[in-house]
Amino acid sequence: DADVTQTPRNRITKTGKRIMLECSQTKGHDRMYWYRQDPGLGLRLIYYSFDVKDINKGEISDGYSVSRQAQAKFSLSLESAIPNQTALYFCATSQLAGAYNEQFFGPGTRLTVL
Amino acid sequence: RKEVEQDPGPFNVPEGATVAFNCTYSNSASQSFFWYRQDCRKEPKLLMSVYSSGNEDGRFTAQLNRASQYISLLIRDSKLSDSATYLCVVNMNNNDMRFGAGTRLTVKP
Repeated sequence: DADVTQTPRNRITKTGKRIMLECSQTKGHDRMYWYRQDPGLGLRLIYYSFDVKDINKGEISDGYSVSRQAQAKFSLSLESAIPNQTALYFCATSQLAGAYNEQFFGPGTRLTVL
Repeated sequence: RKEVEQDPGPFNVPEGATVAFNCTYSNSASQSFFWYRQDCRKEPKLLMSVYSSGNEDGRFTAQLNRASQYISLLIRDSKLSDSATYLCVVNMNNNDMRFGAGTRLTVKP
């Protein structure tokens, strides 16, 4: 079984709809992240959480919100989806460690907003 | 200037070739550095961390030049299975990780 899972894997929605992307992990890591990937731009950090009571904005948090329901779960919401939020979204986890902490990524969610 | 910049490629090389990628970063206070590999439509996976003294893992060698603010990845004896996109990742400060857009490598028979 995968250590970091994301649901759904693919989603097509319409402008203005509310969307939630879910991430679960069985690695026991404290830190969880949400990124989006766009062609030519690399991965950009949306939000991150260092533990259940900690939520931090990343580079591009506008238009997104998150919820850390438990150590193992971190969900990303688009309150009112718009076409430029069409992207590949990745969840990642890492241990609470020093500078060289590896990030483990989920398989990604491909979101299309029409 | 982007915080992390990479040559997007594509690099098309024959099997057995040696290929090198560079990556530059803008924040001189950056703490740690990584190369991740991403296969088409898949998630990124850590290839190797990059240490100050340089480090090697089999056919892969990573170098860091803090004075010039760049890191490099050298792949020797390229295999078909090395075809992927290679992402340069910089830990700017306190685990604020910034990703380059990636360099695409295709190894041909």
